[in-house]
Amino acid sequence: GQNIDQPTEMTATEGAIVQINCTYQTSGFNGLFWYQQHAGEAPTFLSYNVLDGLEEKGRFSSFLSRSKGYSYLLLKELQMKDSASYLCAVLSNDYKLSFGAGTTVTVRA
Amino acid sequence: IAGITQAPTSQILAAGRRMTLRCTQDMRHNAMYWYRQDLGLGLRLIHYSNTAGTTGKGEVPDGYSVSRANTDDFPLTLASAVPSQTSVYFCASSPTENTEAFFGQGTRLTVV
Repeated sequence: GQNIDQPTEMTATEGAIVQINCTYQTSGFNGLFWYQQHAGEAPTFLSYNVLDGLEEKGRFSSFLSRSKGYSYLLLKELQMKDSASYLCAVLSNDYKLSFGAGTTVTVRA
Repeated sequence: IAGITQAPTSQILAAGRRMTLRCTQDMRHNAMYWYRQDLGLGLRLIHYSNTAGTTGKGEVPDGYSVSRANTDDFPLTLASAVPSQTSVYFCASSPTENTEAFFGQGTRLTVV
């Protein structure tokens, strides 16, 4: 099965940078996803990493190290609308998509 | 508009009753998933299906059953609801097993 850990909460100031770490242990690995979820809404896809390295998409970047079982999501130039929960999810060899408990990011003015 | 639809949006259910949560997608996605989301526990996988005709158990399958008779529909059934099944239920689909999953808007279920 999977064991996925990420911090519960983070707070940052508008315009700043925040890095959300995710560590995982899994029986087989087929990729790691990051999702954003605003309160009361469904999760929406942010990024996918299957190979080691950094994937950049505008203000958001995601990094993966498979040997360390580690990923991070980097949010740059924070905006108030970035206040949300960020979910790390791991796809196992048998194609189960399992999620961590999520990190709630609060952006302050 | 293409997408994934869940019904009902919310429901209050008496304990012991049977309930089916509906999930339909029109994107011809092969993989479909059911999750429950509880405060502090995140999304937990209940059941999944990689293609029509096949299903698998997730982390918390007890008390739930699913079927996948065709590509579009993936209903979740609670045979005899209990209060611990009070949760927000999300259905998701993806084109293949290793691509991004798209989520429905969720069903808020309260078992009393």
